[in-house]
Amino acid sequence: QQQVKQSPQSLIVQKGGISIINCAYENTAFDYFPWYQQFPGKGPALLIAIRPDVSEKKEGRFTISFNKSAKQFSLHIMDSQPGDSATYFCAASMTNTGNQFYFGTGTSLTVIP
Amino acid sequence: NAGVMQNPRHLVRRRGQEARLRCSPMKGHSHVYWYRQLPEEGLKFMVYLQKENIIDESGMPKERFSAEFPKEGPSILRIQQVVRGDSAAYFCASSPTGDSPLHFGNGTRLTVT
Repeated sequence: QQQVKQSPQSLIVQKGGISIINCAYENTAFDYFPWYQQFPGKGPALLIAIRPDVSEKKEGRFTISFNKSAKQFSLHIMDSQPGDSATYFCAASMTNTGNQFYFGTGTSLTVIP
Repeated sequence: NAGVMQNPRHLVRRRGQEARLRCSPMKGHSHVYWYRQLPEEGLKFMVYLQKENIIDESGMPKERFSAEFPKEGPSILRIQQVVRGDSAAYFCASSPTGDSPLHFGNGTRLTVT
């Protein structure tokens, strides 16, 4: 059973555009929601994360929007650049019960110059 | 300030052989996690360890797979009698505490021929 559902599977965006990736979860006990970025041949790297006590977090061109009632969160990449082309994973964890992270299936983002 | 180190980067084994994957966590990190990634799929949790203890192995197959994180030395993921279906990228991650973000290594790509 997939604990975290991610969409779309792949995304193509023009340079300068906005990339939006969505995730949904069922378990209301999750209390930490990170996004990871993975380049080919590399391990995932933490990009940005949010806890459910805020509805939005922004770091540079990357923003997480969090909707607790809908159990959804999304990653927005503003002014997308070719260097942003990578696979993005959302994740969720329950930090007070062993810190096991559940990952979405990933979104392959291609930013066209 | 080295990150999470995994070796080997690539490992080729024939069916029936044993595979040993090593992971040295970041300095000061005592929590280690192993994940498996198949092409076009997300990261599947396998096992969570602290020094000398297995905390959660709910994602690890009951047979042929084992993991350890000794007091001294790296964490080891061991796969006995490998089969073709074991071919995947195996990622190790570490964190300093049980409620911290994960830092991933660059993975070991196992190919079973």
